Amino acid sequence: GNSVTQMEGPVTLSEEAFLTINCTYTATGYPSLFWYVQYPGEGLQLLLKATKADDKGSNKGFEATYRKETTSFHLEKGSVQVSDSAVYFCALSESSGNTPLVFGKGTRLSVIA
Amino acid sequence: DAGITQSPRYKITETGRQVTLMCHQTWSHSYMFWYRQDLGHGLRLIYYSAAADITDKGEVSDGYVVSRSKTENFPLTLESATRSQTSVYFCAIRGGSTYEQYFGPGTRLTVT
Repeated sequence: GNSVTQMEGPVTLSEEAFLTINCTYTATGYPSLFWYVQYPGEGLQLLLKATKADDKGSNKGFEATYRKETTSFHLEKGSVQVSDSAVYFCALSESSGNTPLVFGKGTRLSVIA
Repeated sequence: DAGITQSPRYKITETGRQVTLMCHQTWSHSYMFWYRQDLGHGLRLIYYSAAADITDKGEVSDGYVVSRSKTENFPLTLESATRSQTSVYFCAIRGGSTYEQYFGPGTRLTVT
């Protein structure tokens, strides 16, 4: 079946550091890929998405590129801020769209000033 | 997202009681979902619905019941609450052409 594997957290970075959160997936067909962010006490928000190989999703300074050859969708940001402290979830959608998203377990990021 | 509301936002109940969590969307998206989120387990799917009167079990459906008589509402009922059902519950809808999901603000349920 389809699955998503994220790097274990928590990740602690200093402000302005470079961020990478690794995500790899297993899927049949051509899934769409997503990153969600969850701030403390809130629901998940869609951060960015990519729908086909080599697509780059971007939002709020975050980027992720759909790499079919390595089945990866790593999240990156060049300079993190304290306000980026949150839990980040990688997810995929089967190409048929008939089943719910498959989520990774989430990676907690803490950014310290 | 303002288009998805959950009520109540916080609930404390006793073991054995029935409790219903409500989810309402202001749009008319077909797919709706219920998840629970617990430390160490990430998000786990409880039930989902593809349309009114069509529901399907997720990975942790035991002890939960859902119904969907109207497209915009998707209530989740704990028939006889247990302490292990203490959790944060999130409702979601599926929108967009690439099947992304949008989440409500969550209901924090404590079973004593």
